[in-house]
Amino acid sequence: AQTVTQSQPEMSVQEAETVTLSCTYDTSESNYYLFWYKQPPSRQMILVIRQEAYKQQNATENRFSVNFQKAAKSFSLKISDSQLGDTAMYFCAFDQGAQKLVFGQGTRLTINP
Amino acid sequence: ETGVTQTPRHLVMGMTNKKSLKCEQHLGHNAMYWYKQSAKKPLELMFVYNFKEQTENNSVPSRFSPECPNSSHLFLHLHTLQPEDSALYLCASSQVGRTNYEQYFGPGTRLTVT
Repeated sequence: AQTVTQSQPEMSVQEAETVTLSCTYDTSESNYYLFWYKQPPSRQMILVIRQEAYKQQNATENRFSVNFQKAAKSFSLKISDSQLGDTAMYFCAFDQGAQKLVFGQGTRLTINP
Repeated sequence: ETGVTQTPRHLVMGMTNKKSLKCEQHLGHNAMYWYKQSAKKPLELMFVYNFKEQTENNSVPSRFSPECPNSSHLFLHLHTLQPEDSALYLCASSQVGRTNYEQYFGPGTRLTVT
C-alpha cells in the first residue's frame, strides 16, 4: 500500500524567509502524481502545486517550488519569500491515477511577522 | 473559494439522530469524493463517485450512507453514529479523464457526535 510521510509536524519561520517542507512516499508504481495542498485556518483545502512522476523537471508556481527526487521517493516543497498568508497546514498527497489520494499527516507552518 | 460548497459547516448530533451532509460542486466535474479528517490522522478517503456511480467504498461502516443524485451533488447520510465519528468531513470533486487528477475541496463540515 502507498504511504506518505511528513516528518515535520510543525515549523515556524520569519516572514520573507525561505522554508522547506519534507515529504517521502512509498510506492512500487512508476507512474503517479504528487501534490502539495494547503489548508489555512479557514479549513478550505487548496492545491498549491502538483508534479507528474514522469516529468523530470521540478514544478514551480510563483514562490512555490518542489524538489522531486524519484529514486529517493522524496517530494519536498520550498516556499520562498514567505508571507503571513502562507500560515497553514500543508499536506503532501500521492495519487497513482486511481482517484485515491493518499495524504501525509501534515505540517503546521507558521509564518511570524 | 474552490467552487465546492458544503452545508452545514457545523453539526452537533446525538448518537441516535439521523442527519445528512450536503456537498455541491459548481465546476462541471464528473467525480465526487467524501473524506474524513480526524485530529492527528491523515485524511481518509471514504467514498468515490464517478458519473454518479459509486466506485469506491473504503471499508466505511454502514452508519455512513452516501448518495449521489447527479454529478453536481453529493450527500452523506448519517445515523446511529459513535463519538469516534466526530471529525471534519470534506467533500471534493475532480474531472475524470484529465491528466492532472487534481481534486478541489470544499470547506468541510465539522461534526460532533455527543
